[in-house]
Amino acid sequence: DAGITQSPRHKVTETGTPVTLRCHQTENHRYMYWYRQDPGHGLRLIHYSYGVKDTDKGEVSDGYSVSRSKTEDFLLTLESATSSQTSVYFCAISEFTDTQYFGPGTRLTVL
Amino acid sequence: DQQVKQNSPSLSVQEGRISILNCDYTNSMFDYFLWYKKYPAEGPTFLISISSIKDKNEDGRFTVFLNKSAKHLSLHIVPSQPGDSAVYFCAATIIQGAQKLVFGQGTRLTINP
Repeated sequence: DAGITQSPRHKVTETGTPVTLRCHQTENHRYMYWYRQDPGHGLRLIHYSYGVKDTDKGEVSDGYSVSRSKTEDFLLTLESATSSQTSVYFCAISEFTDTQYFGPGTRLTVL
Repeated sequence: DQQVKQNSPSLSVQEGRISILNCDYTNSMFDYFLWYKKYPAEGPTFLISISSIKDKNEDGRFTVFLNKSAKHLSLHIVPSQPGDSAVYFCAATIIQGAQKLVFGQGTRLTINP
């Protein structure tokens, strides 16, 4: 299994509070991604990174920001959480055009 | 606008028989397609992929077929085993550095003894 961890694994928070999810890899892969999974939508790309300090938006980036200060860490921040951001969040990594490997996920509930 | 669609939310197959999961796409620029398998409370795991220059790729019990003219791909599992019970996602991308996957909604496959 690819060395990808996500923290926290579960989080319950209130509307309007900031939330940061962390993805950590030990594979030294160049690309890192954040997806959210919702019923009826499959997984949708939020943001991705193609190197340290290099990030770009995905399909559903509104309300999210990301940062990557080290190769191994990719942070996803919800500046002011809303109930529509209740979801399961997955981090993924890949090296160039190789297969994308996913972390175990973080279940976020916004009340 | 769903660019990748899996129109069957669920599929039930008897153990030992063939499972066929289907996926349709609308963007003709997609040139790489993948299937992922997902168990509850786990992340998706890569199963098999196919490039748009091929029409078939096989890996053990799993075969993916691509019909570019119909913008359709399918995953065949033969023979189906109880451990194959999971949610299957098809995904598509354009090969250009970052692999920005576009996923279908998923199909829940149940293998019955």
